[in-house]
Formats: sequence, structure tokens, C-alpha cells
Amino acid sequence: SQQGEEDPQALSIQEGENATMNCSYKTSINNLQWYRQNSGRGLVHLILIRSNEREKHSGRLRVTLDTSKKSSSLLITASRAADTASYFCATDQEGGSEKLVFGKGTKLTVNP
Amino acid sequence: DVKVTQSSRYLVKRTGEKVFLECVQDMDHENMFWYRQDPGLGLRLIYFSYDVKMKEKGDIPEGYSVSREKKERFSLILESASTNQTSMYLCASRPGWGRETQYFGPGTRLLVL
Repeated sequence: SQQGEEDPQALSIQEGENATMNCSYKTSINNLQWYRQNSGRGLVHLILIRSNEREKHSGRLRVTLDTSKKSSSLLITASRAADTASYFCATDQEGGSEKLVFGKGTKLTVNP
Repeated sequence: DVKVTQSSRYLVKRTGEKVFLECVQDMDHENMFWYRQDPGLGLRLIYFSYDVKMKEKGDIPEGYSVSREKKERFSLILESASTNQTSMYLCASRPGWGRETQYFGPGTRLLVL
């Protein structure tokens, strides 16, 4: 079943602006990951944040995690046209499952 | 770099045909996964395997079977393809317990006529 739910479903911004995407989930997790998918391609791992972490950075990416609200956000700063893609959150659920549970994704369009 | 390859990028089959989708990873990963991706529904797990000859059903296993005879190869089989199996199929692998990142193949877009 789909646990992560991204919000918004679609986002359109201008190059140079920041893009923020949110993810909510339902059960306790070990970690939460964000993936990116270019149109018609496979997913690529971006960043992982563990349940005991609150914020993590990687280049222009900033991820926050609020386990009390069961939510995460992905911020892409100074966006570029090449950031145009779909972004998915995936949760690694507490309890030992080997599988990730993916959300439905946010489609980001960065206009030049 | 980890490489996950899928046998076809695009495939067109007829209703009732038996369809094989192959996935190969080159990094000795323990876990392998098959997903399908449909507009508005996101990624849905069909089957996964945590070891050779071991498999577990995911969320939507009906109409599919899998085979993992060798560690590097995980096959998805559509015994009798139907039009509602037209979709994008994504394979992924993961090193094993405690190592969380999944690595995805490029996907196979299957059209069943």
C-alpha cells in the first residue's frame, strides 16, 4: 500500500526560484528517502534521512523530517531547468520490512 | 557505479501472450524488486526477492510471477498478458539488510494490445 503522499502533485516555478515538496506518511519509519525520476526513466536516489535526524543537506537539496507530524519536506534551492522531473518520497518502515513504500510523486517543472 | 539493466526499453505484446521481463544487476545485491508505475498511482510493488530462489508477494502480484535462479537476475513473467497490464515496469536492487538505497533500472514500457 502507498504510505507516502506527496504534496503538491504538480509544481511549476521559474529558474532560480526555490521548490518545496512535502511528503506525509502514516506509520513509524526507520528512514525516509527522496528519489528523482526524469521523464520515462528509472528513479535515482537523492537523499536519505534517518528517523533520529531532523534536517539533512546535500548540495542544493535540503530535507527535513518531523516524526511527530509524520512529514518530510524536500527543498531544492536556486532551481535549474535540469531539475525538471518527478520527485518521490519513500519510507523504510519500522519493523524490519525489506521493502520501501513509495508515494505518488510531485511533478516539478522549472521554466527557463 | 551500480548498474541495473532491463532487457527492453519498449515492448509490444498481444493479449494472451507470455511475456518475460528480465532484470540484471552487477553489484551482488541481495534484494531485487519489480514495480509497475501508472499515472496517478505511483509505484506499486509487484514482487520482491531477498535471496536466490526466494520471493515474496508485493501489493499487486495477481497476474504475475517471478523467477530468481541466480543472484544477479530477477525475471518478471506475465503468464497471459492482458491489456490492463500495459504499464511502465521498473526493476530495482538493494544491497541487503541495513543498506537502504534502492538502485533502479531504466524501465520497460510494455504495451499489451
